[in-house]
Amino acid sequence: AQSVSQHNHHVILSEAASLELGCNYSYGGTVNLFWYVQYPGQHLQLLLKYFSGDPLVKGIKGFEAEFIKSKFSFNLRKPSVQWSDTAEYFCAVNAITAGNKLTFGGGTRVLVKP
Amino acid sequence: DAGVTQSPTHLIKTRGQQVTLRCSPKSGHDTVSWYQQALGQGPQFIFQYYEEEERQRGNFPDRFSGHQFPNYSSELNVNALLLGDSALYLCASSFIITGQRVNNEQFFGPGTRLTVL
Repeated sequence: AQSVSQHNHHVILSEAASLELGCNYSYGGTVNLFWYVQYPGQHLQLLLKYFSGDPLVKGIKGFEAEFIKSKFSFNLRKPSVQWSDTAEYFCAVNAITAGNKLTFGGGTRVLVKP
Repeated sequence: DAGVTQSPTHLIKTRGQQVTLRCSPKSGHDTVSWYQQALGQGPQFIFQYYEEEERQRGNFPDRFSGHQFPNYSSELNVNALLLGDSALYLCASSFIITGQRVNNEQFFGPGTRLTVL
């Protein structure tokens, strides 16, 4: 069975700082990869997704992620964060052979100080 | 275009009771998945319904059951509630592309917050 690890549980940074959130998964087969965001009081929204092709994917709100297959990683980045990026971020994996069931990491709570 | 809707928003039950949660998928979607999100954790997959049948199931006991109706809406039922069932229950919808259930984004609803006392 697949599993997902997000190493940082809490991240605090100032506006304009760069953000990188780590995500590692354990599954030997083909996967689809996702980053979801949950803003305070709102539902889960998709930030970006990787199905195939260019391993560097760009999402909404200036976020991007890089799939490194050899490291089983899919780290999320943003060059310059804003106060409005305060949210909880979840990495999720879908093993191709498992239908489209998503396995989520534990989440990283990001606080951006103005 | 309405997104995924869930009802009720909040629910308080006592141990041993039964609860039913409801979900209407996004327009055009035919597949519904349910997830449990305990406080401070990521969502965990409960099960998925397509064509009114349970197609996949996560590691949850038989106390958790579901149903999908011909209009693609779905219910999640939990019997004999335990304190540990307190969580946010999320519904997500997606659609089949040419017989495949992969490579499809899942759209999430706002969730139902269940508190078991």
